[in-house]
Amino acid sequence: GAGVSQTPSNKVTEKGKYVELRCDPISGHTALYWYRQSLGQGPEFLIYFQGTGAADDSGLPNDRFFAVRPEGSVSTLKIQRTERGDSAVYLCASSSYGGGAYNEQFFGPGTRLTVL
Amino acid sequence: QKEVEQDPGPLSVPEGAIVSLNCTYSNSAFQYFMWYRQYSRKGPELLMYTYSSGNKEDGRFTAQVDKSSKYISLFIRDSQPSDSATYLCAMSGRTQGGSEKLVFGKGTKLTVNP
Repeated sequence: GAGVSQTPSNKVTEKGKYVELRCDPISGHTALYWYRQSLGQGPEFLIYFQGTGAADDSGLPNDRFFAVRPEGSVSTLKIQRTERGDSAVYLCASSSYGGGAYNEQFFGPGTRLTVL
Repeated sequence: QKEVEQDPGPLSVPEGAIVSLNCTYSNSAFQYFMWYRQYSRKGPELLMYTYSSGNKEDGRFTAQVDKSSKYISLFIRDSQPSDSATYLCAMSGRTQGGSEKLVFGKGTKLTVNP
């Protein structure tokens, strides 16, 4: 079946511009996560959605970063006034949510963002 | 000090060798311990997960968790060139809003030479 998809696969922008990154989770997965992976580092958590609501946004680095998931499926990560330090791979993951049991997170291929 | 520490390597071994990868952590609230494999320009894919302390085996892969020492390991037996990838340890514990956010190590880049 289809996995998590992310578009675009690559995005090059100039400092100060606005970008949107899209994530299509696995159908039926209610939980959706965004992570950021800088070069040579492991992914770092940004934000978690359960359904339409952002239940945990403690990983967003500042108010230039915002994410939405209006219908509980597709999510968009939005970055305003991009800075060179925002250059990284942005990963999306989705999982089913089963309460106390373990729920595997399935990752997309990521969007590679380069801010010039 | 980061919550999860992992030696980034790189690690280079001959085909057929036993590979040992490990991570240490500081947060005793972690309950689930995962190993992900990441090929170049791909997303991480789950290899194994363990709940709490103990061992788990899956084919050539064995995961060990020692919560008393806050230390986890992944062993790969009879390593193959196709095992060449970056291996990421990850941990989670239920937090704000029911989030099961993963905390990753830096990843260890492994090369298995034919």
